[in-house]
Amino acid sequence: RKEVEQDPGPFNVPEGATVAFNCTYSNSASQSFFWYRQDCRKEPKLLMSVYSSGNEDGRFTAQLNRASQYISLLIRDSKLSDSATYLCVVNARDSGAGSYQLTFGKGTKLSVIP
Amino acid sequence: DAGVIQSPRHEVTEMGQEVTLRCKPISGHDYLFWYRQTMMRGLELLIYFNNNVPIDDSGMPEDRFSAKMPNASFSTLKIQPSEPRDSAVYFCASSLRGDRETQYFGPGTRLLVL
Repeated sequence: RKEVEQDPGPFNVPEGATVAFNCTYSNSASQSFFWYRQDCRKEPKLLMSVYSSGNEDGRFTAQLNRASQYISLLIRDSKLSDSATYLCVVNARDSGAGSYQLTFGKGTKLSVIP
Repeated sequence: DAGVIQSPRHEVTEMGQEVTLRCKPISGHDYLFWYRQTMMRGLELLIYFNNNVPIDDSGMPEDRFSAKMPNASFSTLKIQPSEPRDSAVYFCASSLRGDRETQYFGPGTRLLVL
């Protein structure tokens, strides 16, 4: 089973639509969760962290369900500029090695259509 | 402020040749990460450094890959000898000790091994 799984899409939605992305993770000991955004042929950039109580940043809402090991991102009133790939990211600490690393999903591609 | 700087931006080489990728992290950042991104496998962590010391290199695919960080402002990832399956985008990222999970990525090096 992959550590972080996402629906690859693409999601093609009209401007103004609401779209939701889901992500599941396999490591129950994961501690921190994020959404990164990656534009075509560009580097990933942090979009927002995901908190247990859920959090909102403008048109973007992120939610976490630890029991189900599930993360979501909701985009309201989508804009053309939201077209990108959205990467679900989990902090997967390796307690044995004392190592720390982020594990990235492969991403969900969103295309917002005029 | 300058972000993470990577060079070269594009590299085309022939199988068997040595390839050296370079990274300059954001000034003051304690952590440096090397990632590889392909369509098949997504974004994978290869190795990361804390204060110039390699912490976890478990993601390095094989002995052909090596990474160094001789000082706080410079790191290299070397592939010798290169193979066609090494073709990918290689990203360098850096972060602050107090906020390790917010990683700032460089623009990447697109490597094609023929």
